[in-house]
Amino acid sequence: GESVGLHLPTLSVQEGDNSIINCAYSNSASDYFIWYKQESGKGPQFIIDIRSNMDKRQGQRVTVLLNKTVKHLSLQIAATQPGDSAVYFCAESSNQGGKLIFGQGTELSVKP
Amino acid sequence: ETGVTQTPRHLVMGMTNKKSLKCEQHLGHNAMYWYKQSAKKPLELMFVYNFKEQTENNSVPSRFSPECPNSSHLFLHLHTLQPEDSALYLCASSSGQVDTEAFFGQGTRLTVV
Repeated sequence: GESVGLHLPTLSVQEGDNSIINCAYSNSASDYFIWYKQESGKGPQFIIDIRSNMDKRQGQRVTVLLNKTVKHLSLQIAATQPGDSAVYFCAESSNQGGKLIFGQGTELSVKP
Repeated sequence: ETGVTQTPRHLVMGMTNKKSLKCEQHLGHNAMYWYKQSAKKPLELMFVYNFKEQTENNSVPSRFSPECPNSSHLFLHLHTLQPEDSALYLCASSSGQVDTEAFFGQGTRLTVV
């Protein structure tokens, strides 16, 4: 069945370093992917998305890479800051807009 | 502020109680969702509403009863819950179109005692 999962449950990086958070998905028919950030006590917040006709998309300090061959998604955060500490989820969209299937999440900790 | 407001933020209820969670979106969206988030588990989709009509029920027990009176409001009625139902319940909305993100509320932290 459909599933989206993350490789690592926790990631610790030094402030200023780059962070890479990975995600694997199993449904080869998925055509839309989103990264969400969830801070403690808050709901998930949209970071960046990518459609399956793209391999890479850049935002402010964030880049999402999509490798459809191996069904792998990654989120790169440049110059990681303490405010980036949160749980990051990848999500896969079904053919119905907004219905999202979520991975387990990676908790990012930024050391000062 | 994401435009999706959930109340209450915290709720403690006994197993014989009846309570309701409320969600309101101010984004003009046509689709609304309930998700359950338990510790160390992915967000689990519970219900989907499009234009006030329920389009998906993800095998949710009948002790959870959703209601969508209009496109802006979504309720989750709770009755005779179990301790394992304790979780963060998240409401989300979207335009309902393909390939668009969902916007989430802050969630209701539910504890069943």
